[in-house]
Amino acid sequence: GAVVSQHPSRVICKSGTSVKIECRSLDFQATTMFWYRQFPKQSLMLMATSNEGSKATYEQGVEKDKFLINHASLTLSTLTVTSAHPEDSSFYICSAPTSTGDTQYFGPGTRLTVL
Amino acid sequence: DAKTTQPPSMDCAEGRAANLPCNHSTISGNEYVYWYRQIHSQGPQYIIHGLKNNETNEMASLIITEDRKSSTLILPHATLRDTAVYYCIVDSGTSYGKLTFGQGTILTVHP
Repeated sequence: GAVVSQHPSRVICKSGTSVKIECRSLDFQATTMFWYRQFPKQSLMLMATSNEGSKATYEQGVEKDKFLINHASLTLSTLTVTSAHPEDSSFYICSAPTSTGDTQYFGPGTRLTVL
Repeated sequence: DAKTTQPPSMDCAEGRAANLPCNHSTISGNEYVYWYRQIHSQGPQYIIHGLKNNETNEMASLIITEDRKSSTLILPHATLRDTAVYYCIVDSGTSYGKLTFGQGTILTVHP
């Protein structure tokens, strides 16, 4: 079946630095990808929709200048956490819908720890 | 999108059927019922979805009541690897893959 990958799988960074997370669809094209965030013992929360060739759309309460999204190609979306702080430590997960939109494939997630 | 209600946790013995319920009493006529699961520290995995007919695939069966206000996901022969959080999501599909996750049901399969 379709596969979505993320890189890195885990990253530890210092407060104030920026971190880039990549999301790739390996065997299908995705004009749209989604970024979720999951804090410990909580459910997934949608952060933003990444659109190939246009600006990302962000959910209410998500700072677009802090979480930069670039959908560089039909198989790659990146999420950059700028000026990371300890409260940004979380599990970041991307997903991409199939061409019919009736199912969605999720990446394995990226564990971000900000010290 | 309609809201769903699931029990916070369930237990099941290995080899037995696991029946996970979901209530979605405000579901609209054009909304599908989706099931995903998330094994610890991994991304969610699609299991099955349906509109009004019962569905079966290699992973599970989905039973939707005639009034569509509730559904049950059935794992026919649960294994230890089925231990995960199971999410029932109702979506019309117009959001094109944009999903709203609730708290889900933590299923623990015991030896």
